[in-house]
Amino acid sequence: TQLLEQSPQFLSIQEGENLTVYCNSSSVFSSLQWYRQEPGEGPVLLVTVVTGGEVKKLKRLTFQFGDARKDSSLHITAAQPGDTGLYLCAGEGDGGTSYGKLTFGQGTILTVHP
Amino acid sequence: KAGVTQTPRYLIKTRGQQVTLSCSPISGHRSVSWYQQTPGQGLQFLFEYFSETQRNKGNFPGRFSGRQFSNSRSEMNVSTLELGDSALYLCASSLWGHGSTDTQYFGPGTRLTVL
Repeated sequence: TQLLEQSPQFLSIQEGENLTVYCNSSSVFSSLQWYRQEPGEGPVLLVTVVTGGEVKKLKRLTFQFGDARKDSSLHITAAQPGDTGLYLCAGEGDGGTSYGKLTFGQGTILTVHP
Repeated sequence: KAGVTQTPRYLIKTRGQQVTLSCSPISGHRSVSWYQQTPGQGLQFLFEYFSETQRNKGNFPGRFSGRQFSNSRSEMNVSTLELGDSALYLCASSLWGHGSTDTQYFGPGTRLTVL
């Protein structure tokens, strides 16, 4: 069974601070996605990382996939109140039984105070 | 392009009843996955359908079932509801259901409350 450990579970910071969310596993994933979910809505995809060591930037967000494709991180620079939400990492298995299945981390609830 | 739609958005049922939830995928998407989201367990995979066939299944009891129609729309059914079935049920659609370039797009979910 593939598991994704996401940390921290909660983050409460002031506007302008930087933060990093981590996603770790003992399993290899063929790809890893980061989603953001607002209350009452479904998760919205932020980025997909595929290649070990890959780094992707989306404005103030930087995503990294570990060399061994077992871990990933999300770094937000100069957080803003609009970044508040639930951040989820999700991995697609590296095998033939992964059809349509994403394994999700427990999520990080981020609150950015003005 | 219209997104994934789920109906109903909210449901209240009592223990022992059954419920059917519906999901309409993005046009052209043939894979539909279902997930259960609870505060304690997070998002857990229920099953995936592609071309009317269930290709993958998570670790849920047989009370949870689903099906997919020829137009790719999908339904999931929960029989003999238990209090612990209270959750947000999310469906996601994608082109193929597999592959690093194949993104899953989620609907807004159906909030099920079992009393």
